[in-house]
Amino acid sequence: QVQLKESGPGLVKPSQTLSLTCTVSGVSIGSGGYYWTWIRQRPGKGLEWIGYIFYSGPTSYNPSLKSRVTISVDTSKNQFSLNLSSVTAADTALYFCAKGARGMDVWGQGTTVTVSS
Amino acid sequence: EIVLTQSPATLSVSPGERATLSCRASQSVGNFLDWYQQRPGQAPRLLIYGASTRATGIPARFSGSGSGTEFTLTISSLQSEDFAVYYCHQYNDWQTFGPGTKVDIK
Repeated sequence: QVQLKESGPGLVKPSQTLSLTCTVSGVSIGSGGYYWTWIRQRPGKGLEWIGYIFYSGPTSYNPSLKSRVTISVDTSKNQFSLNLSSVTAADTALYFCAKGARGMDVWGQGTTVTVSS
Repeated sequence: EIVLTQSPATLSVSPGERATLSCRASQSVGNFLDWYQQRPGQAPRLLIYGASTRATGIPARFSGSGSGTEFTLTISSLQSEDFAVYYCHQYNDWQTFGPGTKVDIK
């Protein structure tokens, strides 16, 4: 059974970099064939696609966030990560990682990140 | 950016009734559209991908249809666990989500 779990700081100061990790179990990221995605949900709002990475490294990012986003993969740890730089209060959200890019069929439980000084 | 519009914003339905949810795209997305269900406090769950294919383990009462710019999610007979928010999601041009339709108990 494939499972994903997000981890990282729950509080980030404005202008700093938000860094989250998604640990995958039940499937090897390095075995190939899947995209790995980050999505966020601002308080009381809908879903926003952040971007995805293919197991071998190619990425695609939301144009509105592209200048601040980096998604990377560590196959040795079976993890993929999100870095979002220069955060503001508008980046306060529940962050989800998910398996797949089209038809995201497994999701993590989400982790809340608050941007505040 | 492709904008997805979902209607209605809220749908009040009695258990056992049929629910029909609409998603309209600002330009054609072909059949590159998914539907997700999100219950309170939970992560979204994939229901339908490719506009009309049910995901693994999804009950047959859920069905999707449409292509191009007009899509529909139908729940044939609402069960208590179906009261939730439903999002459409396109992946034809970058990726965007609709604002959601909340299905609540009438």
